[in-house]
Amino acid sequence: EAQVTQNPRYLITVTGKKLTVTCSQNMNHEYMSWYRQDPGLGLRQIYYSMNVEVTDKGDVPEGYKVSRKEKRNFPLILESPSPNQTSLYFCASSFGLPGDTQYFGPGTRLTVL
Amino acid sequence: AQKVTQAQTEISVVEKEDVTLDCVYETRDTTYYLFWYKQPPSGELVFLIRRNSFDEQNEISGRYSWNFQKSTSSFNFTITASQVVDSAVYFCALSTSYDKVIFGPGTSLSVIP
Repeated sequence: EAQVTQNPRYLITVTGKKLTVTCSQNMNHEYMSWYRQDPGLGLRQIYYSMNVEVTDKGDVPEGYKVSRKEKRNFPLILESPSPNQTSLYFCASSFGLPGDTQYFGPGTRLTVL
Repeated sequence: AQKVTQAQTEISVVEKEDVTLDCVYETRDTTYYLFWYKQPPSGELVFLIRRNSFDEQNEISGRYSWNFQKSTSSFNFTITASQVVDSAVYFCALSTSYDKVIFGPGTSLSVIP
């Protein structure tokens, strides 16, 4: 089954404790992206990747890191989480933009205390 | 600059009523793509439709229909004979370049039985 998976689905952590949210897709997509969803703001792009070893900042990259060492995986790293990073996070993938449809993972709800 | 506006923050309708969700976009590009996504209470993002800027034909899929008007930069979504299962947050999105998709803030639709 074609899908984008994310883990964990729910995470409660404390300020400053490094964490990684994994994202994996099995559709051989070249483009992958991370978004955060906050009430009233829709989805905002954090980072994206056009291909292996190619990543770039989106609209809200501060406090986040990513890597793309393999085509299928695109982990999101929070080196020192803060409460303002409490949000719902989505990973997405597609063959490319602008015309290809993005497919989204199930979301990761992160709470930083 | 690109922008997507969904002026209706929340809408409530009684089951079987028709409802239209508005989406207005801004772009100077002549080639662009528009999307609608549904986010049910379970939280996942479900792709509904993709439209490119050269195709102004309206589309109907069952109870769903979309009206794309370049003259008013709008891509509105109508649900006919709404059902409780239509209760969700609906996002309109715009893609004009290789790196990002811009989402509107979303419209929360509640269908009351």
